[in-house]
Amino acid sequence: DIQLTQSPSFLSASVGDRVTITCRASQGISSYLAWYQQKPGKAPKLLIYAASTLQSGVPSRFSGSGSGTEFTLTISSLQPEDFATYYCQQLNSYPPMYTFGQGTKLEIK
Amino acid sequence: QVQLQESGPGLVKPSETLSLTCTVSGGSISSYYWSWIRQPAGKGLEWIGRIYTSGSTNYNPSLKSRVTMSVDTSKNQFSLKLSSVTAADTAVYYCARVIAVAGGLLNWFDPWGQGTLVTVSS
Repeated sequence: DIQLTQSPSFLSASVGDRVTITCRASQGISSYLAWYQQKPGKAPKLLIYAASTLQSGVPSRFSGSGSGTEFTLTISSLQPEDFATYYCQQLNSYPPMYTFGQGTKLEIK
Repeated sequence: QVQLQESGPGLVKPSETLSLTCTVSGGSISSYYWSWIRQPAGKGLEWIGRIYTSGSTNYNPSLKSRVTMSVDTSKNQFSLKLSSVTAADTAVYYCARVIAVAGGLLNWFDPWGQGTLVTVSS
């Protein structure tokens, strides 16, 4: 099974900072990766799919890149509402098995 | 826009069966995969399984022996049953639509239900 490892697990940053979260896959997964944002007490929200395609309605300060085994989620200028936990996700195609990264909690410095 | 809502008991006794239903509104349940995902308090996301509207299912191997999913297209609902529950099954359970493209190689979850907390305790 393909494993996803996010780094860092915790990130402290300030409003206005540029931050990058990394997701590494144990095997190549082309660009078949999605990113989610989860705020406390809420369901995850899709931010990016196909590694770099921004979901409709998601602010343009969010961007994704990468392919193969290394992917990044970048927030260009942190806003107060961006402090949350972020997860990457992919599908093992056979047998079908979805996996998530362990999460990156982004906290206010 | 499509919205999902989980429903079911919030408290289940150990060794019994957890049963949840997800109601889809604002669109048809047809021609999509639908999934259940859970999250223990303070922990990450764990995929439980998915069902297509034909009734075809795939389950997480770690839960496969205890999971049954079903779909009722006439009610725009799909359901989860998890048997022989223990305290380790205490979690927020989410239902979500699966978007599958690129011949099924690229999948993501959108939208998600708000989640429902299920506690396993006597």
